[in-house]
Amino acid sequence: RKEVEQDPGPFNVPEGATVAFNCTYSNSASQSFFWYRQDCRKEPKLLMSVYSSGNEDGRFTAQLNRASQYISLLIRDSKLSDSATYLCVVNDYKLSFGAGTTVTVRA
Amino acid sequence: GAGVSQSPSNKVTEKGKDVELRCDPISGHTALYWYRQSLGQGLEFLIYFQGNSAPDKSGLPSDRFSAERTGGSVSTLTIQRTQQEDSAVYLCASSLRPGGAPPANIQYFGAGTRLSVL
Repeated sequence: RKEVEQDPGPFNVPEGATVAFNCTYSNSASQSFFWYRQDCRKEPKLLMSVYSSGNEDGRFTAQLNRASQYISLLIRDSKLSDSATYLCVVNDYKLSFGAGTTVTVRA
Repeated sequence: GAGVSQSPSNKVTEKGKDVELRCDPISGHTALYWYRQSLGQGLEFLIYFQGNSAPDKSGLPSDRFSAERTGGSVSTLTIQRTQQEDSAVYLCASSLRPGGAPPANIQYFGAGTRLSVL
């Protein structure tokens, strides 16, 4: 079983739509989780940390469910600039990455 | 200050040659990591350095791969006798410290070295 499994998408949504996707992780002892964003042929960049209580950063909301070992990301009011691959990341000092969820926002 | 710096940004080499990839982490970051992203694949961990501790080499795919970190700062990843399957983007990241909680454990990535082995 992979350490981090992620819905690959692709999600093709119109501007202004809401899109949400999940990932699951295998190590129940993992404590630290992130969402990174990766644009084509670029390095991953931190989008947001994920906290147990759930957290919001502008149009982005992340949730962590420890009991079920899954993490979610919701994007509200999608913008064209949100088009990217979103990487679910578990930080056990070394990062374990999901394969990425591709999101394309169309005009 | 500046982010993580990697050089070269692109490297084309012939099969069987050795290559060296360089990473200059963010100043003050004690932890340094190397990852690899092959075409159409996810990122995979290669090696991790923390301070003066012995590095975690558990992700290195073969003994042709080695890395060192001099003076707790700059790191060099060396691939000997390169093979075509080594073609990938090699990404370096650094964090203030490993483990623990954000923001100290957040890893910041360099732009990567795109290695092509012909």
